[in-house]
Amino acid sequence: DSGVTQTPKHLITATGQRVTLRCSPRSGDLSVYWYQQSLDQGLQFLIQYYNGEERAKGNILERFSAQQFPDLHSELNLSSLELGDSALYFCASSVRGAADYGYTFGSGTRLTVV
Amino acid sequence: GESVGLHLPTLSVQEGDNSIINCAYSNSASDYFIWYKQESGKGPQFIIDIRSNMDKRQGQRVTVLLNKTVKHLSLQIAATQPGDSAVYFCAENGNSGNTPLVFGKGTRLSVIA
Repeated sequence: DSGVTQTPKHLITATGQRVTLRCSPRSGDLSVYWYQQSLDQGLQFLIQYYNGEERAKGNILERFSAQQFPDLHSELNLSSLELGDSALYFCASSVRGAADYGYTFGSGTRLTVV
Repeated sequence: GESVGLHLPTLSVQEGDNSIINCAYSNSASDYFIWYKQESGKGPQFIIDIRSNMDKRQGQRVTVLLNKTVKHLSLQIAATQPGDSAVYFCAENGNSGNTPLVFGKGTRLSVIA
């Protein structure tokens, strides 16, 4: 157990629907990162939050949004889902906001859009 | 744009042999590098890191080498075991303050018993 909790582990939904992925960071970590991993692809950075505020944005689609709550857990919202959104979505956390220490990853949410 | 890449997508190694996984990076401003291991169905797991003021760092059975001159990173695994079978990713920080870690596409290591 890495200390980063992601729910649900698996999600199957239809095109056009909206889903919410949840992440609880490791105790004491202030930063939360969301990454998308498609088949045979690396980890694509989506968005980062630090202590409740958006810190950095990557290749995140306009149909996707995220937020970090006062208790530091984060949610990634995916709407108007398309078949191509099927992927593994990972959350990672770190103590600091800068990328000068390693991230701790959760076990991911596998999203299947049918 | 700048990116992190890997020379080989797959690597097969005999059990007990040493493994070497390579990574090329192009962002000369990066000053922090990490290797992650991802087993099937799991999230990436931190293996070892290195900062740009070092050229070698050793852990338990693993060694990371950094060659800043040619922007090359490698992970050496000694006495490879079946449990080492996984996908290995290198990552760099880009060092632009708020740039999150950038990951390469990964190398799959298969250990032959």
